[in-house]
Amino acid sequence: DGGITQSPKYLFRKEGQNVTLSCEQNLNHDAMYWYRQDPGQGLRLIYYSQIVNDFQKGDIAEGYSVSREKKESFPLTVTSAQKNPTAFYLCASKSGDSYEQYFGPGTRLTVT
Amino acid sequence: AQKITQTQPGMFVQEKEAVTLDCTYDTSDQSYGLFWYKQPSSGEMIFLIYQGSYDEQNATEGRYSLNFQKARKSANLVISASQLGDSAMYFCAMRELDAGGTSYGKLTFGQGTILTVHP
Repeated sequence: DGGITQSPKYLFRKEGQNVTLSCEQNLNHDAMYWYRQDPGQGLRLIYYSQIVNDFQKGDIAEGYSVSREKKESFPLTVTSAQKNPTAFYLCASKSGDSYEQYFGPGTRLTVT
Repeated sequence: AQKITQTQPGMFVQEKEAVTLDCTYDTSDQSYGLFWYKQPSSGEMIFLIYQGSYDEQNATEGRYSLNFQKARKSANLVISASQLGDSAMYFCAMRELDAGGTSYGKLTFGQGTILTVHP
């Protein structure tokens, strides 16, 4: 079945450590996105990528980094520079001729 | 900058009744898209319905319909015949155009409305 996978579902880290969240899609979509969601809030865009080896900052990119070496993969690294990393992270993808973004199941990151 | 406002933090509805979730938006773009997503407690985002700014008719998808009032910049979601499984967080979102006028599909989300369906 085609879809987006994010792993792991729950992730725990100590403050000061970098952590990488995985996002893989087998939908052959060109565009991929990372969003952050805080409790009781809407989603905010962190980074997005339209094609391989290219990506742009979203509204809250500080303290995060991404790479897009393969079409199907768009990993997000939460660095120690991110002041409040504890949140729910959602990855999404979209084909070029579609308006709908498909979302993965999300990763809940807790940093203590 | 684009902005989405959902003024209802929480809504309650009786099973089998209809409910309207409010959404207003602010944009200077002439071409834009409006979306509604459902987020159950599991966290996944489920696409419900889409309305393009040039669409003349209101969008409908099964029990979901979008009451699009362009002059008032509102895009309310109407759920008919509510079911217990409709209890979830609902988000209104707008597709953003970039400086070149093309859409990269970036979405701006509202704060969400928690819908609770009572038996």
